[in-house]
Amino acid sequence: GENVEQHPSTLSVQEGDSAVIKCTYSDSASNYFPWYKQELGKRPQLIIDIRSNVGEKKDQRIAVTLNKTAKHFSLHITETQPEDSAVYFCGGGDDKIIFGKGTRLHILP
Amino acid sequence: EPEVTQTPSHQVTQMGQEVILRCVPISNHLYFYWYRQILGQKVEFLVSFYNNEISEKSEIFDDQFSVERPDGSNFTLKIRSTKLEDSAMYFCASSLLEQETQYFGPGTRLLVL
Repeated sequence: GENVEQHPSTLSVQEGDSAVIKCTYSDSASNYFPWYKQELGKRPQLIIDIRSNVGEKKDQRIAVTLNKTAKHFSLHITETQPEDSAVYFCGGGDDKIIFGKGTRLHILP
Repeated sequence: EPEVTQTPSHQVTQMGQEVILRCVPISNHLYFYWYRQILGQKVEFLVSFYNNEISEKSEIFDDQFSVERPDGSNFTLKIRSTKLEDSAMYFCASSLLEQETQYFGPGTRLLVL
């Protein structure tokens, strides 16, 4: 069945460094790939998304790349800040979104 | 900025009881979704709803689950006979169009005893 794999499950980076989270998906029909940030006890919030007709998208410190041939996509956060600490979920799909298991990102002072 | 709202924020119920979780999607959105998140785990798709009918559902969404849009604003998830393993956070989401940003509600934390 459809599946989205996400790595790593936990990531610790020094404040100011970059963080990269990677996902792969199985369903070739997937056309929409959102990334959500979830702080403890709160709802998931969309931070960036990309569609299959685009290979890269950037929004300030956040960028996402998509390789449709290899079926993988990545989230890049540059110049990390303490408020970036959260769980990040990648998703893939079209109508429904299949989410990865999440990456807990810790920004170390 | 418009937001998806959900009620109640918390629900405690006895196993075997029926629960109804309520959502008010963003007013001009056309696509509605329910997801669940068991504590510490990933967000799992349950069902999508468009044009007053289910467009897709997951294996989790069995005969015990149903969804309804009883009026022009509410979107409900009913669990007919709750089980212990139904304990989770249930998120409603809505989007204007297919493959557009899905906005999540604050969730309802369901605890089945």
